[in-house]
Amino acid sequence: QQPVQSPQAVILREGEDAVINCSSSKALYSVHWYRQKHGEAPVFLMILLKGGEQKGHEKISASFNEKKQQSSLYLTASQLSYSGTYFCGATGGGNKLTFGTGTQLKVEL
Amino acid sequence: GAVVSQHPSRVICKSGTSVKIECRSLDFQATTMFWYRQFPKKSLMLMATSNEGSKATYEQGVEKDKFLINHASLTLSTLTVTSAHPEDSSFYICSASLPGTGIGYGYTFGSGTRLTVV
Repeated sequence: QQPVQSPQAVILREGEDAVINCSSSKALYSVHWYRQKHGEAPVFLMILLKGGEQKGHEKISASFNEKKQQSSLYLTASQLSYSGTYFCGATGGGNKLTFGTGTQLKVEL
Repeated sequence: GAVVSQHPSRVICKSGTSVKIECRSLDFQATTMFWYRQFPKKSLMLMATSNEGSKATYEQGVEKDKFLINHASLTLSTLTVTSAHPEDSSFYICSASLPGTGIGYGYTFGSGTRLTVV
């Protein structure tokens, strides 16, 4: 069963913030975040391994709540280049990466 | 480093023919590769795990006789779509575990193959 993401889609004006949530029904070993542009392969953003771990990458950061089997991606001061579809990916202890349902993000002027 | 090259990027084939997609790790050895399929505006769905020197492990619902996977060397995995039908049209992406990392730690992706069956 793939992780469920929310919201499914979001439209932002440049400079606004957004939060994308990822929830799994299974125990998580690691959570990955990717961004995909139309017609391209996913681009790696970050990995979180430990419960409660937070990581940051420029204006994009994420948290991982192992007990709740959830992760959130935080986008601050969004830029036009942030547009795309965001996927969380989860591993349950093995090496298979299962992608979430996806969140379409569009940043407008 | 850790680049995966996938070819072809686009292919159009006639119904009933077979198509082979290659995924190569250019600067590392990939004992395990993964094949995904993605329909328009949908998520990536794992099709199978390709293990060097052994049979691939297919996800539930994926026809192993239709999607043949071969991982004959540490740098090459191939996916062959046999007797293709229009419903096989999709975006296929391969990935490999990053070397030197723990299980489930890091992955690198090929650029994808857009298959259109007419």
